[in-house]
Amino acid sequence: QKEVEQNSGPLSVPEGAIASLNCTYSDRGSQSFFWYRQYSGKSPELIMSIYSNGDKEDGRFTAQLNKASQYVSLLIRDSQPSDSATYLCAVNNDRGSTLGRLYFGRGTQLTVWP
Amino acid sequence: KAGVTQTPRYLIKTRGQQVTLSCSPISGHRSVSWYQQTPGQGLQFLFEYFSETQRNKGNFPGRFSGRQFSNSRSEMNVSTLELGDSALYLCASSRGQGHGYTFGSGTRLTVV
Repeated sequence: QKEVEQNSGPLSVPEGAIASLNCTYSDRGSQSFFWYRQYSGKSPELIMSIYSNGDKEDGRFTAQLNKASQYVSLLIRDSQPSDSATYLCAVNNDRGSTLGRLYFGRGTQLTVWP
Repeated sequence: KAGVTQTPRYLIKTRGQQVTLSCSPISGHRSVSWYQQTPGQGLQFLFEYFSETQRNKGNFPGRFSGRQFSNSRSEMNVSTLELGDSALYLCASSRGQGHGYTFGSGTRLTVV
């Protein structure tokens, strides 16, 4: 059973702060890692993808991957109330030409208060 | 650029009926996957299709089936509906490895 675990939260941070979201996975063969944001009543939206160890930055978002520790994180700098959502970590281990199956964590609910 | 389109958006069915959900992927995306989302179980993988072939299947009973057409559009079917099938059904498409999945808006199925 391939497990993806996330801090259950909820996580509450003030506006302007850094929000840190964490995820661990059990399958050492995992190749691709994604963070999705899901607003209440909406579908998941891809915000970050990372494939190799280290940091990847995109605007206010930074994804960090450590395959040795089987750990992936998402940092949101200068958090805004509009960042309030559930953040889903997803992991993939398919080595074929298609992306294959994603294994999702249960999500961390983030609230950014003004 | 049009996103992933799912129809219908909402559906109410009674137990024992069957239902067909439709998904049109982003143009050029040949890989389509389906997920079920419920508050209790989170996002659960149903199946993945590529070039009209089912490549992966999740741990769901045989009442859940799907197919993909030559234009990459996909349908999933649930027969003999049960109350526990009430969920948000999400379709996602991808260009392949190195690219994530883009989800559609989902079909909210309620079984009464």
